Amino acid sequence: TQLLEQSPQFLSIQEGENLTVYCNSSSVFSSLQWYRQEPGEGPVLLVTVVTGGEVKKLKRLTFQFGDARKDSSLHITAAQPGDTGLYLCAGARGNNAGNMLTFGGGTRLMVKP
Amino acid sequence: NAGVMQNPRHLVRRRGQEARLRCSPMKGHSHVYWYRQLPEEGLKFMVYLQKENIIDESGMPKERFSAEFPKEGPSILRIQQVVRGDSAAYFCASSPLNSQETQYFGPGTRLLVL
Repeated sequence: TQLLEQSPQFLSIQEGENLTVYCNSSSVFSSLQWYRQEPGEGPVLLVTVVTGGEVKKLKRLTFQFGDARKDSSLHITAAQPGDTGLYLCAGARGNNAGNMLTFGGGTRLMVKP
Repeated sequence: NAGVMQNPRHLVRRRGQEARLRCSPMKGHSHVYWYRQLPEEGLKFMVYLQKENIIDESGMPKERFSAEFPKEGPSILRIQQVVRGDSAAYFCASSPLNSQETQYFGPGTRLLVL
C-alpha cells in the first residue's frame, strides 16, 4: 500500500507569514495533485505536477515536485485569512497501474487576521 | 461548464436500508471515480469506472457495495443494508480521456446512518 505523509497536520499562523506544507512518500508517483477542501465541500484542484523537479506557481502559491517524484511541497507566501482550509496532496501511479489517487492525510491551515 | 454533480448532498438512512448515491461527471469526461472520507480520516479510493465498465474496484468493500456507470445517465454507488460504519462523505470525481490522472471532484454526498 502506497502512503503519502503530509506534514504538518495542523498549522496556525498570522496573516502575512509564509508557510510550507510537505508531502512525502517512499513510492514514485507519475503525477501529484494538490487540492484544497472547505468544510462541507469537495476537494478543489489547485495544481497537477508531472515532471520531476517541476515548479508551478499560482499567485502566492508555489508547488514543487521532487526530482525523484516521491515528494512535493506547497509554499504559501504572505498568507491571508482566505487561505484557511484543508490542503490535500494526492499521488497517481499512471495508466498501467490504474488511475486511483492516493491521498495524504491533509494539512489543516488556519490564518489569523 | 458545469462541474461534477452529485445528489443528494445529504442522505439519512436507518440501519438496514439502501443508499443510492448519484454522480454526473463533467461534460466530456468519460472516467468516474468514487472515494470515501470517513470522519477524521483522509479520502480513500473505492472504485474507478468508465462507461459500462468497472476498471478497478480494489477499494470497494466486498459486500453490500456496488457501483455502475451506465451508457446513459449518472454513475450510481449503491450501498445495501447500511450500517452505522457506512456514515461518511462519499465523493465522486471525473477525468477526461486525455488526462486521466487529473481528477475533478464533486461536492460529495454526506451519508448518515441512524
